[in-house]
Amino acid sequence: QSVLTQPPSVSGAPGQRVTISCTGSSSNIGAGYDVHWYQQLPGTAPKLLIYGNSNRPSGVPDRFSGSKSGTSASLAITGLQAEDEADYYCQSYDSSLSGSRVFGTGTKVTVL
Amino acid sequence: QVQLVQSGAEVKKPGASVKVSCKASGYTFTSYDINWVRQATGQGLEWMGWMNPNSGNTGYAQKFQGRVTMTRNTSISTAYMELSSLRSEDTAVYYCARGNNWGLFDYWGQGTLVTVSS
Repeated sequence: QSVLTQPPSVSGAPGQRVTISCTGSSSNIGAGYDVHWYQQLPGTAPKLLIYGNSNRPSGVPDRFSGSKSGTSASLAITGLQAEDEADYYCQSYDSSLSGSRVFGTGTKVTVL
Repeated sequence: QVQLVQSGAEVKKPGASVKVSCKASGYTFTSYDINWVRQATGQGLEWMGWMNPNSGNTGYAQKFQGRVTMTRNTSISTAYMELSSLRSEDTAVYYCARGNNWGLFDYWGQGTLVTVSS
């Protein structure tokens, strides 16, 4: 029962650009709370990919970028590579759920 | 380097409790919150709550209030998450994750599989 909605899956050929949306509401993304993105490779713990809507931690390739507008956020992967095949989750804060951090429903990226 | 190392897999019967540990190293344990996140097989991430290791203050997701307790032992830089009244739906991998002022989770433990089965 996540309050942040993502498409279940997206796919693209190597070298292509894919985007993943994260749709929230006025109590989370629309209220101005930051959105963060995580990458989860199969069988591993999630890894921070984008923080504060559009910032990359050290070591994250610049092929990954984030943006936010209104009640939604997006993650873009340009120059898709085979190692980008993973699950991706957005995360924010929701003021209607006391103290709650909330995750998106998750998106599986498949490299064709 | 920052590391969060969790305790090993557990098998519990319905109605029992489980306590998972998360030992921190590579930073000052009391300077960052510890959060707990779980993931059932093939499912998404679910935030359970946070704990401030300095004060011991906690905040739990509504879904888990009354069933979860987060504690710490600062002398050994270890956080704990105890979940009681276990049911089969609690079968999942449980992660600890360091939280910071941005409200994000910048370092994660390796995960602990908790299986609830009669």
